[in-house]
Amino acid sequence: AQSVTQLDSHVSVSEGTPVLLRCNYSSSYSPSLFWYVQHPNKGLQLLLKYTSAATLVKGINGFEAEFKKSETSFHLTKPSAHMSDAAEYFCVVSDPVYYGNNRLAFGKGNQVVVIP
Amino acid sequence: NAGVTQTPKFQVLKTGQSMTLQCAQDMNHEYMSWYRQDPGMGLRLIHYSVGAGITDQGEVPNGYNVSRSTTEDFPLRLLSAAPSQTSVYFCASRRSNTEAFFGQGTRLTVV
Repeated sequence: AQSVTQLDSHVSVSEGTPVLLRCNYSSSYSPSLFWYVQHPNKGLQLLLKYTSAATLVKGINGFEAEFKKSETSFHLTKPSAHMSDAAEYFCVVSDPVYYGNNRLAFGKGNQVVVIP
Repeated sequence: NAGVTQTPKFQVLKTGQSMTLQCAQDMNHEYMSWYRQDPGMGLRLIHYSVGAGITDQGEVPNGYNVSRSTTEDFPLRLLSAAPSQTSVYFCASRRSNTEAFFGQGTRLTVV
């Protein structure tokens, strides 16, 4: 079964500095990968997705992620943090439907704090 | 478009009570799922469905039942609420091999 590891459950960044959130996945196939953001007391919003097209994926609000199959990684980056980026971020993996039940596996999340 | 609609947004139950969390989607998605979110645990899958009439268990199914009689609706039933079921519950829907769309969540407290 697929799985996701997100280290650093809490991440503090200064406003205007880069953001890097690490995600490593385990999958026996060519998975789809997603990053979601959750602001306090809100639902989950899709930031970006990788579904076997370009390995560098651009998302909303200036975020991007690079799929590296050799490293089984899908790290999320943003060049300059904004106060509105304070939220929890989840990396999610899904095996292709023809190899299994297409379920989503979530990492435990990164809580990002932005320091003014 | 409404997307995924969950009701209620908040609920307090006494231990042993039962209730149903409602979830409806208007995107004609075949896949629907229920998750619970607890601090530091990410989202854990309770039950899911790959189409009307088909459901299966996820990671943490004990104490919950589901059914899917239509494509649009996927209610989650708590049979006999326990304090360990205090959590935030999310419903999601998706097409195969695509991203999931989430409801706004139900914050449940069992006292």
